[in-house]
This record gives sequence, structure tokens and C-alpha cells, in this order.
Amino acid sequence: DAGVTQSPTHLIKTRGQHVTLRCSPISGHKSVSWYQQVLGQGPQFIFQYYEKEERGRGNFPDRFSARQFPNYSSELNVNALLLGDSALYLCASRLQETRSYEQYFGPGTRLTVT
Amino acid sequence: DQQVKQNSPSLSVQEGRISILNCDYTNSMFDYFLWYKKYPAEGPTFLISISSIKDKNEDGRFTVFLNKSAKHLSLHIVPSQPGDSAVYFCAAAGGRGSTLGRLYFGRGTQLTVWP
Repeated sequence: DAGVTQSPTHLIKTRGQHVTLRCSPISGHKSVSWYQQVLGQGPQFIFQYYEKEERGRGNFPDRFSARQFPNYSSELNVNALLLGDSALYLCASRLQETRSYEQYFGPGTRLTVT
Repeated sequence: DQQVKQNSPSLSVQEGRISILNCDYTNSMFDYFLWYKKYPAEGPTFLISISSIKDKNEDGRFTVFLNKSAKHLSLHIVPSQPGDSAVYFCAAAGGRGSTLGRLYFGRGTQLTVWP
């Protein structure tokens, strides 16, 4: 079975621009979470979505938004990009029906803001 | 506010010996803990987890120990192999108002296993 997939792999944007990152969860997984990993830090939680609804939000500004589609894939949108948004953006999926906390991560999208 | 801390940024161990990676947490409401391994240019890979009702969980060469009173957990790798060289992240979950989809990560420990 395919794991979590993310696109694009790498992206270079200019300050002030907008970016959209995409994620497809493992087949059968209905919950998707997004994380930001800045160099030298651990992943920081941004959002969780389940059944197209936001189920949790981390301490990120309103410039960050996301949505989940009927096929459980998800998009992360970031507006008015800042240099500090340069990071690896990770998507993770889990089997919502279980009480398990295990999440399975994709390879990430490396965003560079210049 | 770093609720999960990995105070050793790096660890170097000889092949065949034991690797011990440590993690501390501050939120007493956490009730589930996980270890992830990350290679460059890849996402974190789930390794092993432990519920707060247990003090030990073992899976092959990997064992996680949990000391709730000290708010401390550790990952033991025995025997260590060169392929284990990676960044290891400790993560925690649970707590008041928490969502099952949210993990709190430490900053990671770079493990290097040399021949």
C-alpha cells in the first residue's frame, strides 16, 4: 500500500506570495494533520482535519489555513509568506476509528521563502 | 513552551553497543508517548510507542521505558547498527482538550552508530 504522499517536494516562493501544499493520506485513513518543522526543531502541530472538519489547531497565525476533501486528501494554504515560513511541512495521517495516537508521515514539502 | 525536551542534540555509539536516547516532558496530562526516526529528505517514521499505564514496551531491538514520576522516558537500541544512524524524535500526546491528531515533539537527537 502507498504511504502518505505530498506534493510538491520542493518549492521556492517570494515574500508576500501565497502557497498551497497537498497531501494524500494512507488508504483508509480519514484523519490528516499538518506539521511545520523548522531547521533544528521538532515538528510543530498546525492543524488536524477529520471528515472535512477542523479538529485541532496549533499556535499559528490566520495566514495558515487548510481544508480536507471528500476523498480525505488535504491542502495547506499559507498567505502573505514571510521568511520565517521557510520550513519542512509534514503531513501525517491516522486511522481515526482507533484510539491510537500513531500517525504516519509523508516525506514533506520543503518550502523556501526568499 | 517546550513541553517535550530532548536535551542531548547528538549521541555517538559504536556498532553492537547499546544506544540510550532520553526524553523529558513537563505536562503531567500526557498519556501516550512515541518515538520516531527520521532520515534526511524523508518524513519521520514511527518506531515504538508506550501508554502511560505501562512502564516498558519492547519491539525487537527497541525498548522504551517510561518513568511517570520523573516525567522521563528513554529509548534503548540493542545492539546498535550503522543503519540506525538518524535523528530520533520523542513525541507525546493526550491531555485536557487535546485532539488525538496532535503530537508534541522534542527537538530530536542525532544518533550516529560507527563501525
